[in-house]
Amino acid sequence: EVQLVESGGGLVQPGGSLRLSCAASGFTFSSYAMSWVRQAPGKGLEWVSSISAIGASTYYADSVKGRFTISRDKSKNTLYLQMNSLRAEDTAVYYCAKEDSGGYQRTSESLQHWGQGTLVTVSS
Amino acid sequence: SYELTQPPSVSVSPGQTASIPCSGDKLGDKYAFWYQQKPGQSPVLVIYQDSKRPSGIPERFSGSNSGNTATLTISGTQAMDEADYYCQAWDRSTGVFGGGTKLTVL
Repeated sequence: EVQLVESGGGLVQPGGSLRLSCAASGFTFSSYAMSWVRQAPGKGLEWVSSISAIGASTYYADSVKGRFTISRDKSKNTLYLQMNSLRAEDTAVYYCAKEDSGGYQRTSESLQHWGQGTLVTVSS
Repeated sequence: SYELTQPPSVSVSPGQTASIPCSGDKLGDKYAFWYQQKPGQSPVLVIYQDSKRPSGIPERFSGSNSGNTATLTISGTQAMDEADYYCQAWDRSTGVFGGGTKLTVL
């Protein structure tokens, strides 16, 4: 059974940093692309970033480009999102999601499985 | 940047067919995906690559995509289908979600 468990969320001041983690199990982690998707309170889903199966390719939404960094550790079966220069508008529940392939097409991949999310609050 | 547009809300009577549209420029040239999200829960994939159903998703869920519009159709809608539904596509390797549609079954 695929399991994705996010952690690392919390309260941070504007301009601060936070690193989210997503522990994966139940599948061969190094064979699948992974993504982060966020949802501000009471709002819709927003794609944040994706990383290919072996980590060679990364993709970012314009709203986080240059501030967030996605990475993965095959030895720990863990996905990360390093978030710097945080703003109030980054406040959201952050979900990690497993894609259904290695992520090299970037046209046909679905967000097949989702974690339970971790809440990030940016406020002074 | 690419945009996907959904109606904020759709209502349907139990047992009837619900259709939720998602529009975007030449969306039919891309794959459309649909996610269901119930209150307090994580999203669940219900349709991928326009019209395919993941295992465990009831047959009453179907999808189509042509021209500028993708459509999620729920036949014989049940009370348990009441949820927010989001369409999604990829544009130049980046993910794009529609604003979401709240489906009310009444």
